[in-house]
Amino acid sequence: NAGVTQTPKFQVLKTGQSMTLQCAQDMNHEYMSWYRQDPGMGLRLIHYSVGAGITDQGEVPNGYNVSRSTTEDFPLRLLSAAPSQTSVYFCASSYSRAGVYGYTFGSGTRLTVV
Amino acid sequence: GEDVEQSLFLSVREGDSSVINCTYTDSSSTYLYWYKQEPGAGLQLLTYIFSNMDMKQDQRLTVLLNKKDKHLSLRIADTQTGDSAIYFCAEKLIKAAGNKLTFGGGTRVLVKP
Repeated sequence: NAGVTQTPKFQVLKTGQSMTLQCAQDMNHEYMSWYRQDPGMGLRLIHYSVGAGITDQGEVPNGYNVSRSTTEDFPLRLLSAAPSQTSVYFCASSYSRAGVYGYTFGSGTRLTVV
Repeated sequence: GEDVEQSLFLSVREGDSSVINCTYTDSSSTYLYWYKQEPGAGLQLLTYIFSNMDMKQDQRLTVLLNKKDKHLSLRIADTQTGDSAIYFCAEKLIKAAGNKLTFGGGTRVLVKP
């Protein structure tokens, strides 16, 4: 089915470990982004990309890296996991101007750092 | 600055109408959205309203926009148990870098039978 695919769905990391959260979309969307969702805080933007080869920081970028080598993929890397990064992570994509279509969200990755 | 606020919780009886409220601070919004998040799932776009509109109706959903008060609401008619979820409002600003949406903290709606 067309949409945004995130893997893995669940992950437990030890403090200091690194990992990559995968995000892929097959809708030829130019815009992709990563959000984290914490209780009572809504969604906060980590990083975003307006096209292949172009990325920029959001509100809470520290501790995370991204790259966008293709239109389809936008992986999020945790460099050295910390308990404060325990959260649910969502990848979202849209056409370059969301307009009436808004974003399409993946189903999320629930990350626990112990 | 950008700030979108929602009440945390709403309880409603099945068959009644639900009204979820949202306030925002930046008047340069272009589109405003309502998303629904069911347990364990991502956010699903429910409806949107363009900033030059006052109202939009889509089946059981009615969106009202009061630009003067920077207030957005979502009314769900004949609320069903399947409407139990977290609802997020979001705004897209003209000046936003890239295609950024700013989200509220979400309103958890509980529908009681």
